[in-house]
Amino acid sequence: DTAVSQTPKYLVTQMGNDKSIKCEQNLGHDTMYWYKQDSKKFLKIMFSYNNKELIINETVPNRFSPKSPDKAHLNLHINSLELGDSAVYFCASSPSRGNSPLHFGNGTRLTVT
Amino acid sequence: DAKTTQPPSMDCAEGRAANLPCNHSTISGNEYVYWYRQIHSQGPQYIIHGLKNNETNEMASLIITEDRKSSTLILPHATLRDTAVYYCIVRGFADKLIFGTGTRLQVFP
Repeated sequence: DTAVSQTPKYLVTQMGNDKSIKCEQNLGHDTMYWYKQDSKKFLKIMFSYNNKELIINETVPNRFSPKSPDKAHLNLHINSLELGDSAVYFCASSPSRGNSPLHFGNGTRLTVT
Repeated sequence: DAKTTQPPSMDCAEGRAANLPCNHSTISGNEYVYWYRQIHSQGPQYIIHGLKNNETNEMASLIITEDRKSSTLILPHATLRDTAVYYCIVRGFADKLIFGTGTRLQVFP
């Protein structure tokens, strides 16, 4: 039933490792997003894909690479993890790039030790 | 980057109306006002949005001033489960959704 689902919910890993977070939406939406919420609770957009095409790419280190195998999935790969990557990552989707509300997943809490 | 100003925190008694203000004095004609909330540890939840007319849905009402420079989100009968951070966001068509610092609403018994 979950509209936007992310896995895993928690991810604890060591510096230097490579990890992935998966996101799937069953709403039939065309656009998907990744947001990062840091320890100060600021929510910042990282990426946006529309129909598998990258349309927003904020100032994010290129260690972060989104991959969209189809329009229902947007995965986030992170290489060479650093302590500062510790945060909660939220996936979201919306029907189109237009004026439509975003629907968010419940987040993945990444802790880098 | 956020184009809105909100009080950092507010309190509301359970059962009373919660009125959350937002200033967006630089809003342009084609920008919408969105409200989201984030309950502890969960993803942001869409509440309501509007352009210039007042809007109401099952969750809340949105009152936008005639000059569109400010708005108020109204939760008509606040419950303890409405305790959350509420974000007022100005968003143009197809623009990014940019979150500010929001208002932390505490509903007390």
